[in-house]
Amino acid sequence: AQSVAQPEDQVNVAEGNPLTVKCTYSVSGNPYLFWYVQYPNRGLQFLLKYITGDNLVKGSYGFEAEFNKSQTSFHLKKPSALVSDSALYFCAVRDYNNAGNMLTFGGGTRLMVKP
Amino acid sequence: DTGVSQNPRHKITKRGQNVTFRCDPISEHNRLYWYRQTLGQGPEFLTYFQNEAQLEKSRLLSDRFSAERPKGSFSTLEIQRTEQGDSAMYLCASSPGEETQYFGPGTRLLVL
Repeated sequence: AQSVAQPEDQVNVAEGNPLTVKCTYSVSGNPYLFWYVQYPNRGLQFLLKYITGDNLVKGSYGFEAEFNKSQTSFHLKKPSALVSDSALYFCAVRDYNNAGNMLTFGGGTRLMVKP
Repeated sequence: DTGVSQNPRHKITKRGQNVTFRCDPISEHNRLYWYRQTLGQGPEFLTYFQNEAQLEKSRLLSDRFSAERPKGSFSTLEIQRTEQGDSAMYLCASSPGEETQYFGPGTRLLVL
């Protein structure tokens, strides 16, 4: 079975400050890891992914995430937050051995960036 | 190519009625997925197609739910005898292979 935990329901940060949104996962095999962002009444928008290779992956809008196998984590980061980054963020995992490609999502973290 | 599209965007129905949603994936994406998202939760997997073949179904997909992808292009999700617990956002995604899934805007269903 595969699972994802996002321990924070909400993260508050001031504009211009760095932000981190936490994610930990559990899979039986090797993980494929993803971050998506959701704006109100919208679908999910892909931000970045880790499949293999460099543990630090860079994605859209200046976001990056670091894969840490020993801590089974994939935290989302951005050096300088913007008010427009305020949205709902979802971490997702797929077990490499899951031929169906099913994604399992965390419960989401609401990011609030204040001016 | 404008991404994954879903219709309708909103649907209000009375309990016991049948509803059908449509998903048009990104062209040439052979994999198509349906997810359900309830308020305050992450999306939950419902079913998966590779071309026209439905290869996987979640336990969440009760007998009242049926999905099709007859020609390996668009897909429909039908819910029969809707219940208030079916109220949710229904999300469709497509992918060209094993990696990134691209999501549509969703269909929000409200069952009265």
